Amino acid sequence: AQKITQTQPGMFVQEKEAVTLDCTYDTSDPSYGLFWYKQPSSGEMIFLIYQGSYDQQNATEGRYSLNFQKARKSANLVISASQLGDSAMYFCAMREGAGGTSYGKLTFGQGTILTVHP
Amino acid sequence: DADVTQTPRNRITKTGKRIMLECSQTKGHDRMYWYRQDPGLGLRLIYYSFDVKDINKGEISDGYSVSRQAQAKFSLSLESAIPNQTALYFCATSVPGQEPETQYFGPGTRLLVL
Repeated sequence: AQKITQTQPGMFVQEKEAVTLDCTYDTSDPSYGLFWYKQPSSGEMIFLIYQGSYDQQNATEGRYSLNFQKARKSANLVISASQLGDSAMYFCAMREGAGGTSYGKLTFGQGTILTVHP
Repeated sequence: DADVTQTPRNRITKTGKRIMLECSQTKGHDRMYWYRQDPGLGLRLIYYSFDVKDINKGEISDGYSVSRQAQAKFSLSLESAIPNQTALYFCATSVPGQEPETQYFGPGTRLLVL
């Protein structure tokens, strides 16, 4: 069974508008972390934002925020005020287990290609 | 200079050839990882290493081997390359006990097996 599911192969958004990229996950571990990475056309993987399973508040990093709904097992990425440079592939990933004991392994979703139109 | 480097950045090889992909890091991180990326499948873990003496198989280790020559170096080998190993390969590093344990990725190696 897929541990991380990104159901949107592609998304389009108008410049300056907000967009939500969906991510659902599956784990029975009470301690886990959720990550979002951006992969521009150049190929590198850029860390964007992190949400821990015990975090009480949704994570935010500049224009990025994570809409964490634990009961629904979803961790959607919200990008506000989209810019042309946001056009990229976005990956959701999960690490099961807490920090030092988790072995750090990440399980990735399939990715969503975001295209920002001017 | 980049913290995590991969060589080569691009490689074309033929079926049956042995090939090595190298990863070096200046971040001082103990943990290192090799992933491959295929279209529509995201990234999948091949091998990971917690320190020089600790190497573990990941989700898709068949057909691959690794060597951790030093804390800073982690190499991935394809003993006899086959076309379905054509992919984008990433090396990553992390430091345990740091919350979150963010992984930092190298620039990737594009491998084409003919």
